[in-house]
Order: sequence, then C-alpha cells, then structure tokens
Amino acid sequence: DAGVIQSPRHEVTEMGQEVTLRCKPISGHDYLFWYRQTMMRGLELLIYFNNNVPIDDSGMPEDRFSAKMPNASFSTLKIQPSEPRDSAVYFCASSSRDRHNSPLHFGNGTRLTVT
Amino acid sequence: QKEVEQNSGPLSVPEGAIASLNCTYSDRGSQSFFWYRQYSGKSPELIMSIYSNGDKEDGRFTAQLNKASQYVSLLIRDSQPSDSATYLCAVRTGNQFYFGTGTSLTVIP
Repeated sequence: DAGVIQSPRHEVTEMGQEVTLRCKPISGHDYLFWYRQTMMRGLELLIYFNNNVPIDDSGMPEDRFSAKMPNASFSTLKIQPSEPRDSAVYFCASSSRDRHNSPLHFGNGTRLTVT
Repeated sequence: QKEVEQNSGPLSVPEGAIASLNCTYSDRGSQSFFWYRQYSGKSPELIMSIYSNGDKEDGRFTAQLNKASQYVSLLIRDSQPSDSATYLCAVRTGNQFYFGTGTSLTVIP
C-alpha cells in the first residue's frame, strides 16, 4: 500500500499565480479530505468528498479556492489567484466508508509559499 | 465550544518518565478516537486508536477512553527523546474527523 500520495512536496509561487495541488488517495478509500495547517490556526478542514462527490466545503476560505475529484483515485485543490496568506502546509487524507472505526490516513503534505 | 480540546502545552518530561496527554470532546455521539503524532515538518502519523471505554495498550503507549466524561488520554511510558513531537487528538463523528490543536511534548535527555 503506497499510502496517500501528494504532489508537489513544495511549491513556491508569486502572489496572483494559480496553484494546483494534487492527491491520490489510498485505493479503496471512499472519503477524501483536504486540510490546511498553520501555526496560528492548526489543522483546518477545507473540504471533503465521498465517492468523488463534495459533501462539505464550508471550510473553503473563499472563492479563490476550488477542489475537484474527477475519479476515485485523483483529487486537486486549486487556488487562483494565490495570496501570501495562503502560505501553509496542505494535507490530503483518506478514509474508508461505513467503517466508523477507520482512521484518517494523511499524505506527506504540500508546503506552499506565496511571496 | 470547540469540538475537541487539548492542552497546547508545551509539556516537558525527563527521559524515562511517563508523559500524560489529555483530550476532551463535545459530541456524545462520537464513535472513534485517535491519537496522531506529528514531528516538525512531517505529516500526522496514527499511533493509537480506541473505540470502547477503558484502556488500550500498544507497547509503550496506552490510550484511555471514558465516554461518560467525554475524555480521552494518551500515556507514554519510558519516554524517549524520539517521542518529542506534537500529539493530535482526533475524534470521528459519523464521517467527520475533528482535531484538537495538539500538545507539544519535549522529552529531555
């Protein structure tokens, strides 16, 4: 099992540029979550999907953020345009459905720096 | 009121001592409880899960759950410098996971 795979590991971009973060969940997992982590705010849930369908996007900070899951093995989080306050570590995580004991498995994260 | 609350610390213990980390949660319907360890610059790593009242032991780690008090704890026996990290308490309610802000632990050699 390769685990949750995220790319890129690091992203440095200038304010106003578009940023796309990618995630491949663990095969067979039906839930996919996008989190953002900063020192000030800790781990924040941005959005989660069930069977490729967005269920709760109330954590998405503003319209500049969008997420898609075109199939069971791939998801993207896009920021357009990016701003310095978006600098954070973004984690993708996945979990099994209908097994309330199943934990969350995290990817290695993408460290985003917007200058 | 936050869903999951932890003391942010920092917590410092000498090597070989017992480290005790605590967590409370607000939703009585929560079913599953997890402890994650996060080293600086790394992703959260699952170290313990507990679903029933009582204790669950795994090596030097013991998780304790008291649903009546809505309380979860993690004990680390014989603490090692390699245990120095931030420990995140997570609670699963339905298909949502709620995280505490984490407790920073330093084990002093």
